Amino acid sequence: GENVEQHPSTLSVQEGDSAVIKCTYSDSASNYFPWYKQELGKGPQLIIDIRSNVGEKKDQRIAVTLNKTAKHFSLHITETQPEDSAVYFCAASGVTGRRALTFGSGTRLQVQP
Amino acid sequence: GAGVSQSPSNKVTEKGKDVELRCDPISGHTALYWYRQRLGQGLEFLIYFQGNSAPDKSGLPSDRFSAERTGESVSTLTIQRTQQEDSAVYLCASSAVRLAVYNEQFFGPGTRLTVL
Repeated sequence: GENVEQHPSTLSVQEGDSAVIKCTYSDSASNYFPWYKQELGKGPQLIIDIRSNVGEKKDQRIAVTLNKTAKHFSLHITETQPEDSAVYFCAASGVTGRRALTFGSGTRLQVQP
Repeated sequence: GAGVSQSPSNKVTEKGKDVELRCDPISGHTALYWYRQRLGQGLEFLIYFQGNSAPDKSGLPSDRFSAERTGESVSTLTIQRTQQEDSAVYLCASSAVRLAVYNEQFFGPGTRLTVL
């Protein structure tokens, strides 16, 4: 089955700096890679996703890159703000077969004002 | 519109008791998922329902865990003879599945289960 590894487990940055979180996956058949943000006491919320037919996707301050050859994908947050502080999860899945997501272990991002 | 709702939000039970957790998916979403999240960890897949197809139960950790879904609506996750290691947040998600397209999973707020 799929295995997703996520690094780092914790990340502390100064407000205005950039933050990068990296994930690797094992199943070459995976072709959907979402990123979720989870705030304390809440369920995960999708912030951006990428499909295997593109290498990069950007939405305002958030961008995701995908390298299918190396089987890794990354989340980039620019101009970080205190409200970006949360736990971020990467995940992977395929379109066919079971559509459940395999999640990474999470990154706790702390943005210092 | 309404998102995914789950009840109860918190459940404290004694070891050995049975518990039932409920999920109301977004109306019209044919796919429903249950995940478990242990403290400080990522989400573990438990079970997946898609329309009238047989559910994918491959993530259920033991035969004490079971889930049902009525049509494309409410789902219940039942844990029998609860153990302390069952303590976790149980998250439900739903998705509007279309052929050959992966659709976003929307998560509920979760049920925090504590087994004493």
